[in-house]
Amino acid sequence: GAVVSQHPSRVICKSGTSVKIECRSLDFQATTMFWYRQFPKQSLMLMATSNEGSKATYEQGVEKDKFLINHASLTLSTLTVTSAHPEDSSFYICSATLRGTDEQFFGPGTRLTVL
Amino acid sequence: QKEVEQNSGPLSVPEGAIASLNCTYSDRGSQSFFWYRQYSGKSPELIMFIYSNGDKEDGRFTAQLNKASQYVSLLIRDSQPSDSATYLCAVYKNTDKLIFGTGTRLQVFP
Repeated sequence: GAVVSQHPSRVICKSGTSVKIECRSLDFQATTMFWYRQFPKQSLMLMATSNEGSKATYEQGVEKDKFLINHASLTLSTLTVTSAHPEDSSFYICSATLRGTDEQFFGPGTRLTVL
Repeated sequence: QKEVEQNSGPLSVPEGAIASLNCTYSDRGSQSFFWYRQYSGKSPELIMFIYSNGDKEDGRFTAQLNKASQYVSLLIRDSQPSDSATYLCAVYKNTDKLIFGTGTRLQVFP
């Protein structure tokens, strides 16, 4: 149980385009989902916390207008990187919390490369 | 001071040995503690969590927590080459978000 999927697993796009990444909890309802970014050889950096039906809470330094998060249902959250630039190239990972616990389960990640 | 600190390693141990991974945290109010394993190019996978002082064992893994010393560790017995990965310590704060350490890279050599 507690499987989280992400789509796409890998995306290459041109600078200036927007990219949408989906995160789904497959076999449980996730009231809270988290979006992380990880640059090579660095640890995970939390970008935002997403609660179903409400606005996401962004970490300091993360531009909410650039990284649009929508948590439309208890099983789906999306991250849209708008007007992507090469410096946005990174490994984006979502996670979901099992209701009633602190345990976070991670999706497989999406590797974004912006040319 | 970083909120969660780990030695980046690499920690090299021979196959069959015990690998000991350490983590310290700065917030005394932290309530729950997690160990994740991350293989290169993959996302983290949860190995263990611990809430109370003392030891918690699960198969070859033992998590140890000492809240007075603000210290949590992970022991891996009978280490295997397949255990070679980066191990991330994560701490849950009252704000309901996980704070990750930078990870310790473990290398188990045959």
